[in-house]
Amino acid sequence: GQQVMQIPQYQHVQEGEDFTTYCNSSTTLSNIQWYKQRPGGHPVFLIQLVKSGEVKKQKRLTFQFGEAKKNSSLHITATQTTDVGTYFCAAHEGAQKLVFGQGTRLTINP
Amino acid sequence: DGGITQSPKYLFRKEGQNVTLSCEQNLNHDAMYWYRQDPGQGLRLIYYSQIVNDFQKGDIAEGYSVSREKKESFPLTVTSAQKNPTAFYLCATRTSGTDTQYFGPGTRLTVL
Repeated sequence: GQQVMQIPQYQHVQEGEDFTTYCNSSTTLSNIQWYKQRPGGHPVFLIQLVKSGEVKKQKRLTFQFGEAKKNSSLHITATQTTDVGTYFCAAHEGAQKLVFGQGTRLTINP
Repeated sequence: DGGITQSPKYLFRKEGQNVTLSCEQNLNHDAMYWYRQDPGQGLRLIYYSQIVNDFQKGDIAEGYSVSREKKESFPLTVTSAQKNPTAFYLCATRTSGTDTQYFGPGTRLTVL
């Protein structure tokens, strides 16, 4: 079945530093989704990328979908303490199922 | 999200007992999903249902059972056959024509 590998597993930064998490697949993806889970909370949808080479921005967050549609990244500029949490990428396997990456846990030193 | 209720938030059971986790939604979404999350891990799909009275096994269905008698409800039973039931269980919904899944607050099950 579909597999997505996400790295790094953990990332600790000083507040104000940038952060990037990467998601990779060995197969071409139809689309990629990103979710954020705050500590003790549940995943919340952030964005979906569909087109090859697509770049989308949400304030300090920049999402990219690779040209070959096999990888994606989430970059946060100038992290804030509110960015703490685990970021997951997810890809479709068929029309109904999502396969999640293992997530990158971001902690921030204020 | 506000329209998905999972109760209780914390649940404790003795080993060998079956336990049913509740998931109710008022979003009128067609599809519902159950995921399991272990510490430091991603989400793994247990079961999903696209319409009432129909459901499919996910990647880790062994030791679990579900029913979908109403559109609003998708309860998950963790049976005594599940070898490592202690985990965080998340219910999600999705409306037809979109890819976004909306998650409930989750139930943290501890089997003693």
